[in-house]
Amino acid sequence: DVKVTQSSRYLVKRTGEKVFLECVQDMDHENMFWYRQDPGLGLRLIYFSYDVKMKEKGDIPEGYSVSREKKERFSLILESASTNQTSMYLCASSLLAGGNYNEQFFGPGTRLTVL
Amino acid sequence: AQKVTQAQTEISVVEKEDVTLDCVYETRDTTYYLFWYKQPPSGELVFLIRRNSFDEQNEISGRYSWNFQKSTSSFNFTITASQVVDSAVYFCALSETMIKAAGNKLTFGGGTRVLVKP
Repeated sequence: DVKVTQSSRYLVKRTGEKVFLECVQDMDHENMFWYRQDPGLGLRLIYFSYDVKMKEKGDIPEGYSVSREKKERFSLILESASTNQTSMYLCASSLLAGGNYNEQFFGPGTRLTVL
Repeated sequence: AQKVTQAQTEISVVEKEDVTLDCVYETRDTTYYLFWYKQPPSGELVFLIRRNSFDEQNEISGRYSWNFQKSTSSFNFTITASQVVDSAVYFCALSETMIKAAGNKLTFGGGTRVLVKP
């Protein structure tokens, strides 16, 4: 079974703090993704990575950065947290497409509250 | 730009009733993939089905069935004889076909919350 784990289920931070959200997958997937989920908006892609040290902006990258130093680990960084970044953050991974699409497997999510 | 619309934000049914979730999409691609995911209260999204744009056959899996109609850009999902365990948020998603060795991107609808009452 594919397993995607996220470092925390719940996190509370203060405005201006630097926040790290960690995601680890154990199936040797090339692709990894960070989404945020807000009511009525569904999931929106923040960043994704298709290889170590490679990253691509998603639809809403502003205020975020990412790091992928190892294949199994993809970190989302909030350089200076703001209250509008209070949300549920979901990490996902998938095999490299290679002409055929592979479904994404999701972690349990981190509910971040910025006070 | 791709777009996925789930017009129903919440549906409430009594157990054993059928429930249909609507999904309408927009894309300029001729080849694409459509998905449904389930998010139970635990939070983790669970993959339900993938369908590519060339396969318009309807699909049934147990109490779940999917109706893909390319002419109306819809990919609707029906739960037959609903059960309390079906209570969850359901997301429809769209992905373009990869033409280069980079990550796939999914565009999600806003989700439909289904509440099945005993």
